[in-house]
Amino acid sequence: EPEVTQTPSHQVTQMGQEVILRCVPISNHLYFYWYRQILGQKVEFLVSFYNNEISEKSEIFDDQFSVERPDGSNFTLKIRSTKLEDSAMYFCASTETGRTEAFFGQGTRLTVV
Amino acid sequence: AQSVAQPEDQVNVAEGNPLTVKCTYSVSGNPYLFWYVQYPNRGLQFLLKYITGDNLVKGSYGFEAEFNKSQTSFHLKKPSALVSDSALYFCAALKLIWGLGTSLAVNP
Repeated sequence: EPEVTQTPSHQVTQMGQEVILRCVPISNHLYFYWYRQILGQKVEFLVSFYNNEISEKSEIFDDQFSVERPDGSNFTLKIRSTKLEDSAMYFCASTETGRTEAFFGQGTRLTVV
Repeated sequence: AQSVAQPEDQVNVAEGNPLTVKCTYSVSGNPYLFWYVQYPNRGLQFLLKYITGDNLVKGSYGFEAEFNKSQTSFHLKKPSALVSDSALYFCAALKLIWGLGTSLAVNP
């Protein structure tokens, strides 16, 4: 069964450092998303990506965040200068179209120290 | 403002008993509604969705949900709970609007 894969599963970084979270969406999917879940809180939408550009983003997704699809398979989330409050589980998801169920990766737990 | 509400932080049910996890929504237009489950240290897994058609939607692992337009609800149900159903359950509308999640504990 096709699945979304995310690497690494856990990343620890120092405050102020740049991190790149990697995702490989399902191959025939066209829409890609990043969400985050701070421990004990709700899942929050960050950004959606379609046709090689950002289609929607939330207010959380400020200038410190960027996304990229560097090749035909990977979808990355970069945080330029991490803050303590960026510590969260980050989920990548993909959908075949914009209105079908999203398939999620296992998540990357980011810990900023 | 559009929103999804899960009024219960925690639901406890005995194994074998029916379970209900509640969700109400406030979304403009025709809602696209989803239920996802999150097991400990795992990603979010799709359970079921309502797009259009029959109000009773059947999904994975024996779960079903009933779309009620007049009550703007989309409660998740299962006739007989299993201990392995213990997890965090999220109701979502479209792709942007999430409930806070409901922790389900099924007691043996």
